[in-house]
Amino acid sequence: AQKVTQAQTEISVVEKEDVTLDCVYETRDTTYYLFWYKQPPSGELVFLIRRNSFDEQNEISGRYSWNFQKSTSSFNFTITASQVVDSAVYFCALFSSGSARQLTFGSGTQLTVLP
Amino acid sequence: DAGITQSPRYKITETGRQVTLMCHQTWSHSYMFWYRQDLGHGLRLIYYSAAADITDKGEVPDGYVVSRSKTENFPLTLESATRSQTSVYFCASSVQRGGTYNEQFFGPGTRLTVL
Repeated sequence: AQKVTQAQTEISVVEKEDVTLDCVYETRDTTYYLFWYKQPPSGELVFLIRRNSFDEQNEISGRYSWNFQKSTSSFNFTITASQVVDSAVYFCALFSSGSARQLTFGSGTQLTVLP
Repeated sequence: DAGITQSPRYKITETGRQVTLMCHQTWSHSYMFWYRQDLGHGLRLIYYSAAADITDKGEVPDGYVVSRSKTENFPLTLESATRSQTSVYFCASSVQRGGTYNEQFFGPGTRLTVL
């Protein structure tokens, strides 16, 4: 079985603060993929990043960065200098190659950035 | 470039009625998926399809029926709607090449209310 845990249900920060969203996953497979999606108030789901289990390099894309650590089964997401437009629900998701082809989502973290 | 569309965007129906939610993608992606999103549960997979005429159950398939006669369409039918099926439904698609699992792209969602 695979599982994704996003322990932070809601986070509120003031604009320009940095914020880290936590994601912990469980899987028995050695080959798997991790994803982050953003769901703004308008409701659509926007793909942000994909990582596979063989690539532990951290990644930075503008104000976004991701820290993948297999040793702790974590794939955390940091927004630097947050902006009001970053307010959204963020989902972490896991796909394991050994399981049925199911993408397992965490329950999401509601991020509110206050002006 | 329409991408992936869902119709209707909003639907109100009554208990016991049959309802069909439509999903159409223009990318010729082989895989298509149906999820439901409920508060506290994130997204849960209902059914998925690897290709035309190939479908399989996800995490929460009971009460739903799918078909896929054409690659671009993946309708979801609630044969006899129940109040517990009130939810937001998302359709998604992805392309799979070799052993790589690629990200899923989501439609805008259908908000279904069963009275």
